[in-house]
Amino acid sequence: NAGVTQTPKFRILKIGQSMTLQCTQDMNHNYMYWYRQDPGMGLKLIYYSVGAGITDKGEVPNGYNVSRSTTEDFPLRLELAAPSQTSVYFCASSYSVESIEQYFGPGTRLTVT
Amino acid sequence: DAKTTQPTSMDCAEGRAANLPCNHSTISGNEYVYWYRQIHSQGPQYIIHGLKNNETNEMASLIITEDRKSSTLILPHATLRDTAVYYCIVRVVETSGSRLTFGEGTQLTVNP
Repeated sequence: NAGVTQTPKFRILKIGQSMTLQCTQDMNHNYMYWYRQDPGMGLKLIYYSVGAGITDKGEVPNGYNVSRSTTEDFPLRLELAAPSQTSVYFCASSYSVESIEQYFGPGTRLTVT
Repeated sequence: DAKTTQPTSMDCAEGRAANLPCNHSTISGNEYVYWYRQIHSQGPQYIIHGLKNNETNEMASLIITEDRKSSTLILPHATLRDTAVYYCIVRVVETSGSRLTFGEGTQLTVNP
């Protein structure tokens, strides 16, 4: 298994541009999550999904959108990039609500200038 | 989820035990204690979790006090590769998903 994969690894955006961060997992996990991590800080939950077709907001959802059309994929969309969205973005997955462990991807480092 | 307090940073000599403390004085009876770590520029990695009893796995041991208000993660023989930020997380298993709330963690530096 490749686990959780994320693309791209790095990206620089201009203010107002849009982009989609891709996340795919091959572990047949129902639950998927998007976090952001600002320098020197812990991770903050942006959105999560408990299964295909179901998504919900986390702690910091403003400026982002998600979709979950398949079990494997959970893309994160930035519509109008702002400097405040400069961060490292991590995608994670877990099998079920009882799962003790979340598996994290390697992250996408995004800079908005 | 209960708030946790961890020291900002700690140092440990290679080969010695690293003991990382965590205070969670407002923990509820149904909240678990989880530990994750994040090696520089990588995604977080699960280490261990517990409810009441002490736990041990191939990576570490978790000691939870009897009143459950604090816990200690023990890396028995720290190596240079254990240098990372260690997060103590207290949470309830929710029907809406296994959401984790990360604080700022403890930066553990293992020195040669």
